[in-house]
Amino acid sequence: DADVTQTPRNRITKTGKRIMLECSQTKGHDRMYWYRQDPGLGLRLIYYSFDVKDINKGEISDGYSVSRQAQAKFSLSLESAIPNQTALYFCATSDNRVGTEAFFGQGTRLTVV
Amino acid sequence: AQSVTQLDSHVSVSEGTPVLLRCNYSSSYSPSLFWYVQHPNKGLQLLLKYTSAATLVKGINGFEAEFKKSETSFHLTKPSAHMSDAAEYFCVVTRLDDYKLSFGAGTTVTVRA
Repeated sequence: DADVTQTPRNRITKTGKRIMLECSQTKGHDRMYWYRQDPGLGLRLIYYSFDVKDINKGEISDGYSVSRQAQAKFSLSLESAIPNQTALYFCATSDNRVGTEAFFGQGTRLTVV
Repeated sequence: AQSVTQLDSHVSVSEGTPVLLRCNYSSSYSPSLFWYVQHPNKGLQLLLKYTSAATLVKGINGFEAEFKKSETSFHLTKPSAHMSDAAEYFCVVTRLDDYKLSFGAGTTVTVRA
């Protein structure tokens, strides 16, 4: 089984709909992240959480919200989806060491029509 | 603040020939540097990382990278490309006292038979 699991893997939704992307991890890490990937832009940070009670905005948080339900679970919501939120979304985790690498899920491909 | 520039958006090589992917970074403090690979419809996998130890870093699948502080570079190389190396590669930087990963825009590698 994967260390970081994202559901769903693919989703098509309509403009204005609310949608939630879910992430769970078995690494036992405190830190969890949501990134968005767009062609030619690399990955950009949406939100991050250092523990269940600590949630922070990343560089592109507008239009998104998150919930850290447990150490192992971190969900991303689009309250009212719009077409320019069509992208590949990645959840990631890392431990608490400075300068450490992140472990990524397989991604959720979201299309907003 | 830190940032990453991947100098080539696309690299095409013949199977069995060397691969060079170029990455320059900027960072106000001592950086940690990573290379990740993303195969089609897959998540991101860590190839290798530099965290202030040896400047020549060996990774998985025959890849290696050299940290050159004077040139602010962290280029990725492999002596002999294999068809399975066709993928997108990301250079990533973070500070040694930080958590946040900054991604380059990515380099797509194609391997010709």
